[in-house]
Amino acid sequence: DTAVSQTPKYLVTQMGNDKSIKCEQNLGHDTMYWYKQDSKKFLKIMFSYNNKELIINETVPNRFSPKSPDKAHLNLHINSLELGDSAVYFCASSQDRGAAQGAYAEAFFGQGTRLTVV
Amino acid sequence: AQSVTQLDSHVSVSEGTPVLLRCNYSSSYSPSLFWYVQHPNKGLQLLLKYTSAATLVKGINGFEAEFKKSETSFHLTKPSAHMSDAAEYFCVVSDRNQGGKLIFGQGTELSVKP
Repeated sequence: DTAVSQTPKYLVTQMGNDKSIKCEQNLGHDTMYWYKQDSKKFLKIMFSYNNKELIINETVPNRFSPKSPDKAHLNLHINSLELGDSAVYFCASSQDRGAAQGAYAEAFFGQGTRLTVV
Repeated sequence: AQSVTQLDSHVSVSEGTPVLLRCNYSSSYSPSLFWYVQHPNKGLQLLLKYTSAATLVKGINGFEAEFKKSETSFHLTKPSAHMSDAAEYFCVVSDRNQGGKLIFGQGTELSVKP
């Protein structure tokens, strides 16, 4: 009974293609994220959605477009893939508990999608 | 701006000896701090968290961390390393003013020798 699940786990595709990664969480959280892990294992946020509303967009090329059909799902669509897009993409979710309780709780991560662009 | 710095990119210990992974943070307000672990080709798992309650935080698998405001540190320790502890460890701060986004340190790779 996976809390945060993303598909596919592996994705190999050619330059110029368009691909999507799907993410679903069953934790009832109201905030979801996409993080990118590069070849040096450094992790950086790409997007964040709260109740289907985009709240963070960290200078990501507009070839990347997140979509949140409901608060349990956050998908990532990538157009015109480039070699430099090769990375591991992680979906995560957390719950906004408000300022009184230290704001956001810890994030729960999916298993990652390893994208290889050839 | 919030940030974290992991002072060692790689730490190697022998099985049964103590583990110390060092992390310093920078924050303009009382931070929420976390340690996550990533085993090879796996996702990220939360080890422990500090959210302004007790300064000594106990986590899973025998790990603990101590929040020291005067030193702006949040070092991760374990009394006795196990082979299964070999992994990448990330010190993380949460930015509550930016939708709870996590800001990751550079990571410390822990190797455990038999």
